[in-house]
Amino acid sequence: GAGVSQSPSNKVTEKGKDVELRCDPISGHTALYWYRQSLGQGLEFLIYFQGNSAPDKSGLPSDRFSAERTGGSVSTLTIQRTQQEDSAVYLCASSSAGGGHEKLFFGSGTQLSVL
Amino acid sequence: GNSVTQMEGPVTLSEEAFLTINCTYTATGYPSLFWYVQYPGEGLQLLLKATKADDKGSNKGFEATYRKETTSFHLEKGSVQVSDSAVYFCALDTLGDYKLSFGAGTTVTVRA
Repeated sequence: GAGVSQSPSNKVTEKGKDVELRCDPISGHTALYWYRQSLGQGLEFLIYFQGNSAPDKSGLPSDRFSAERTGGSVSTLTIQRTQQEDSAVYLCASSSAGGGHEKLFFGSGTQLSVL
Repeated sequence: GNSVTQMEGPVTLSEEAFLTINCTYTATGYPSLFWYVQYPGEGLQLLLKATKADDKGSNKGFEATYRKETTSFHLEKGSVQVSDSAVYFCALDTLGDYKLSFGAGTTVTVRA
């Protein structure tokens, strides 16, 4: 597709289970971001991938969160042993190298609900 | 560090009403300022931006002026339509910083 694709669009899980969220960026985009949007709060930066460089993981809230990006394209965000406070919308965004934030494209997000 | 404070919503308006969403910021360095919009069921998209003091960003009838003296970037539209119903986010970045700092978002509902 032409845009950033995220799956699933909704995920309901039980506390303690692991979940995987997927992001397909726009083809050719080297930069990929994950953000989290909790109820009543702004978007919170989680992790940033740029080409083959080491990712910036400084925004990951705990060691239960991890992300990888295979082949410089698809990215998976994994949350282990989910907690209720992990409930949020997880947004993925991509841009071309040097594109800047005015060239940033967001997916529609994954709504995660931890019961 | 960088932070953005945005007017809390939700905001409900009638068609053709005037809309203002306040946004103020703190930043290290000299930020670029953005408004993003998220329509129902869609991803965030850039609405407008301004990169230096006194710049005015505009798009789709929306405007925002970069005010360095008041550290503000308020969003305005003179006559809203039902199709403007969305969540609006104020954001900033600083030179060399690839992360955006976002406000909490303001939900706007326009009634016919």
